[in-house]
Amino acid sequence: DTGVSQDPRHKITKRGQNVTFRCDPISEHNRLYWYRQTLGQGPEFLTYFQNEAQLEKSRLLSDRFSAERPKGSFSTLEIQRTEQGDSAMYLCASSLVAGGLFDEQFFGPGTRLTVL
Amino acid sequence: QKEVEQNSGPLSVPEGAIASLNCTYSDRGSQSFFWYRQYSGKSPELIMFIYSNGDKEDGRFTAQLNKASQYVSLLIRDSQPSDSATYLCAVLNTGGFKTIFGAGTRLFVKA
Repeated sequence: DTGVSQDPRHKITKRGQNVTFRCDPISEHNRLYWYRQTLGQGPEFLTYFQNEAQLEKSRLLSDRFSAERPKGSFSTLEIQRTEQGDSAMYLCASSLVAGGLFDEQFFGPGTRLTVL
Repeated sequence: QKEVEQNSGPLSVPEGAIASLNCTYSDRGSQSFFWYRQYSGKSPELIMFIYSNGDKEDGRFTAQLNKASQYVSLLIRDSQPSDSATYLCAVLNTGGFKTIFGAGTRLFVKA
C-alpha cells in the first residue's frame, strides 16, 4: 500500500499520560500535515512540515503538543499530559508541492485518541 | 467570524436531483479552493479544486468561485445515494502555507 499510513489506529489512555502517534507519508511527498478532527467538525490544522522543517504551528496548539519529522520522512506527534479534551481523531496528510496554487492533500486513516 | 463557513446541513435531496453546497471564506487573499468528500468513518478525499473565478466542471461535479464575494460552491448533478457524505470546503490561505477547512455540510441523497 503506497498511501499515507498512521499508527496506532486507536489509542486509549488515562488523563495525564503521554502519547505518541506516527505518520508515514507517501514517499515522494515533501509536505506533511497534522490535523485534529472532532465529531461534526472539519479537520483543524495543527502543524505542517516542508521536508524536515516545521514551518507553522497552530496558535491553538498548547505546549503539550510537539511534532517532529526527522530527515523529512515519517513524522511523530506527541501529546504530553493528556487531557480529556484531547480526545479526537488525529489525521495526517501529505502532499507534493512544487510551488503554485495546487496542494492536493492525501489523508491517512487517522489515529483515534480516547482520554479517560 | 470563522475563516471558512459552511452550512452544516443536513442537506437532503432526492436521487437524480442537483445538490448545491455553499462555502464562504474570510481571507480575501486566498488563492486556492478545494472540495473534499468525507464518508462516515473515513478520511477526507479531494474531489474538486478551483483557483480562477467562474465554473470548473469535472463529470457530475461543478465548482464555482466568486472571489469578489468570497464565495465557493459545489454542484452535484444527477445525485446518487453513493454521494451521501460530508463535503468539506477547504481554502489555502494567503501565502499558500496552510489549508483551512470548514466544518462540512452533510449531504443525504434519498433513493
